[in-house]
Amino acid sequence: AAGVIQSPRHLIKEKRETATLKCYPIPRHDTVYWYQQGPGQDPQFLISFYEKMQSDKGSIPDRFSAQQFSDYHSELNMSSLELGDSALYFCASSFRGGRYSGNTIYFGEGSWLTVV
Amino acid sequence: EDKVVQSPLSLVVHEGDTVTLNCSYEVTNFRSLLWYKQEKKAPTFLFMLTSSGIEKKSGRLSSILDKKELSSILNITATQTGDSAIYLCAQLEANSGGSNYKLTFGKGTLLTVNP
Repeated sequence: AAGVIQSPRHLIKEKRETATLKCYPIPRHDTVYWYQQGPGQDPQFLISFYEKMQSDKGSIPDRFSAQQFSDYHSELNMSSLELGDSALYFCASSFRGGRYSGNTIYFGEGSWLTVV
Repeated sequence: EDKVVQSPLSLVVHEGDTVTLNCSYEVTNFRSLLWYKQEKKAPTFLFMLTSSGIEKKSGRLSSILDKKELSSILNITATQTGDSAIYLCAQLEANSGGSNYKLTFGKGTLLTVNP
């Protein structure tokens, strides 16, 4: 079965550079979530989108932005990278539909970002 | 203050032991409680619990939700070395209109199963 696809899997950037992570949700899923997991830490919610509109916002820095496109894929843009941005970035997707139906959230494999 | 609290933070057992992992959550905007297993990278979905008192089972794993106590447990029987992982509990919450959803994770329980 198709899963959540994230790219790139690994990325190395220098401080102050910009990075873009992509997420392709499971087909027919309408909601995308982004999480950041630092070394030895639990995943922290960044932002979510439902039907291409921002749905909820968590601890996403102002230097980061994200959007969901018409094909439901999402991109997380990170600018002015700092060493502390080095983390595993997870994308997850779910199908919410027109009403709450007890949707399950499925995660991608994650994108490793290393800022040097 | 953490919304989702898991205990213990870490646990070391021998193969064949039975373990019980705990998770407590907040009631605000609660919709479901989810359990994930995280080995090397992305958390793998285990269970989603919405109704209180109904046990969900998958092989040697089972889980149940107690809405009165705002808690859930994950049981693993006859543990194997392959069960070694971080087990994450997450609360799915939504606003009253059901238009905004968020998943909040606990810090996880690191389970180590020794041969």
